[in-house]
Amino acid sequence: GAVVSQHPSWVICKSGTSVKIECRSLDFQATTMFWYRQFPKQSLMLMATSNEGSKATYEQGVEKDKFLINHASLTLSTLTVTSAHPEDSSFYICSASLGTSDSYNEQFFGPGTRLTVL
Amino acid sequence: GEDVEQSLFLSVREGDSSVINCTYTDSSSTYLYWYKQEPGAGLQLLTYIFSNMDMKQDQRLTVLLNKKDKHLSLRIADTQTGDSAIYFCAERPTGFQKLVFGTGTRLLVSP
Repeated sequence: GAVVSQHPSWVICKSGTSVKIECRSLDFQATTMFWYRQFPKQSLMLMATSNEGSKATYEQGVEKDKFLINHASLTLSTLTVTSAHPEDSSFYICSASLGTSDSYNEQFFGPGTRLTVL
Repeated sequence: GEDVEQSLFLSVREGDSSVINCTYTDSSSTYLYWYKQEPGAGLQLLTYIFSNMDMKQDQRLTVLLNKKDKHLSLRIADTQTGDSAIYFCAERPTGFQKLVFGTGTRLLVSP
């Protein structure tokens, strides 16, 4: 159990276009989903935390208008990279959890989406 | 502040033990985690330790926590070529759901 999927697994787009990445929890309801960005050979950087039905909380330095996050249901969160540029090329990973901040709260990670902007 | 550091690279021979080290700065972290990432894939949780524990063992994995020095280690016994991957430690600060990841250690296991 506790499977998280992402779609697409990789995408190539032209500069200036927008790209939507989906993150789904397949066999559980996720109260919270997280979006991370990973540059080659580097660590994961948290971009934002989203709770179902409310606005996402963005980390410092992450542009809210550039990276739109929607968490419309307990099983789906989407990340839209608007007006993508080559510097947005990266590996985007989502995770989902069902716990609270006061208890052990495993995050289940998706397989990632590789975005290449030409 | 939150800052998690790891050595970048570790090379061992198959059958040896591997020890991956991690230092963190947020003493309020409740849980500390070890994740494994294989090439082009997401992260797999290997194990975690609660901050009031010193050690946790799970089959070939042993986690040691030194809260005083804010030092966490992961020991893999009888390392196999399938263990080759990037290993990330992560901390979860008290009151937060988010994880702060270390820089990652690339483990290479040679036959």
